[in-house]
Formats: sequence, structure tokens, C-alpha cells
Amino acid sequence: KAGVTQTPRYLIKTRGQQVTLSCSPISGHRSVSWYQQTPGQGLQFLFEYFSETQRNKGNFPGRFSGRQFSNSRSEMNVSTLELGDSALYLCASSRDRTSRNTIYFGEGSWLTVV
Amino acid sequence: AQKVTQAQTEISVVEKEDVTLDCVYETRDTTYYLFWYKQPPSGELVFLIRRNSFDEQNEISGRYSWNFQKSTSSFNFTITASQVVDSAVYFCALSEPPNAGGTSYGKLTFGQGTILTVHP
Repeated sequence: KAGVTQTPRYLIKTRGQQVTLSCSPISGHRSVSWYQQTPGQGLQFLFEYFSETQRNKGNFPGRFSGRQFSNSRSEMNVSTLELGDSALYLCASSRDRTSRNTIYFGEGSWLTVV
Repeated sequence: AQKVTQAQTEISVVEKEDVTLDCVYETRDTTYYLFWYKQPPSGELVFLIRRNSFDEQNEISGRYSWNFQKSTSSFNFTITASQVVDSAVYFCALSEPPNAGGTSYGKLTFGQGTILTVHP
């Protein structure tokens, strides 16, 4: 079956712009989480969505936001981009929020801010 | 606060050698889950294993094995007879405890990763 799909895979933005990244979870999965990966900070949790509601949030500024649609697809938005936002953004999905289920990750979106 | 430490930043081995990746975690919770993921250059995190805090049984899957020791808060990963295709970054991760309303994983706290290079 298809895995977690993230688009776009690569993008370059200018400081001050905004960006929207998209994530399509595995079919039947309703929980979507986002992570930021940088060489300096490693993998850090951004937020988690389930049933169109944000359930958990990491320690990131308000410039980072997200949403989930009724079909479980999710988007994350970063406004007023800074150079430090350059990172690999990874989306993860699981069937639901119970601990019986595995968390699967997509290939990520590589964002470069210049 | 939860913390995961992977003390080995980089490991280099020759094909067919056995290699162990160390993972030490800190948590005050009695219920938690531990994970190992593999990240090839493409960027995707590939799930390898999940272990809950109540199950200290070691697990073997082909050339992969995991040693979970609650007494030392460690969850080490061994690759037997390593191959070039095993070259990747490996991450150990710890989940938050279940929330008040259910048994959600919550967020994952990752270690810094270990870069494994297997030379032919």
C-alpha cells in the first residue's frame, strides 16, 4: 500500500516568505504528526493532529502552524521564514492514537531558506 | 523531561562485522514506548521496531536484534553480519506516556542519531 506522501520534496524560499507543506497519510490512518530535522537540533516534534484537531504541540514559535482536513490529509505552514527554518520536515502517520499502532514516516520535504 | 542519548555519533565497520548501536533513555514514567528508525540518504525514517516498557523480552528479526534492559534504561540495537546496505543514520526514540484520555503515543523524543557506515 502507498506510504506517507509529502509534497513538495524540495523547495527554496526567500527569508520573509511563507511556505505550506502537504502530507497525505497512509490510507486509513487518522493521526498525523510533524517533525523538523536540522543538523544542530536533530529531530524535534512540531505538532500532532487527529480528527482535524491539534492534539499535541511542540516548543515552536507561532509562525509554525498546521491543520488537518476531513480526509486526514494535513498541511503545515511556516510564515515569515527565517534562515534557521531550513530543515527537513517529516510527516508521520498512524492508524489512530492508540499505542497498538506503528508510526510511519514519509520521505520529508527539504526546505531551504535563502 | 524525557531524554534519549545515542552516545555514538559515527560508527564505521567492514562488511560482515557485527555492530551494536547504543541507546540510553531517561523518563520518569512507568509506561512508555521505545522505537528504532533507520534513515537512508533519501530522508525517510524507516520503522524498525517498537517496544513497550512492560515487555523486556529481547527480539530478533533476521540480522537485527534488540536488547531492552529496563534496569539500565537501555535499548541497544545489534546488526549481525553487517552489509553495505545497512549504511544509514539510525535513531532511537522514546514516546510520551499515554495521555489522560487514552493511550496515545504523544510526541516522540529522538536521540541525535548514529551514522553507520559499512565498508565493502
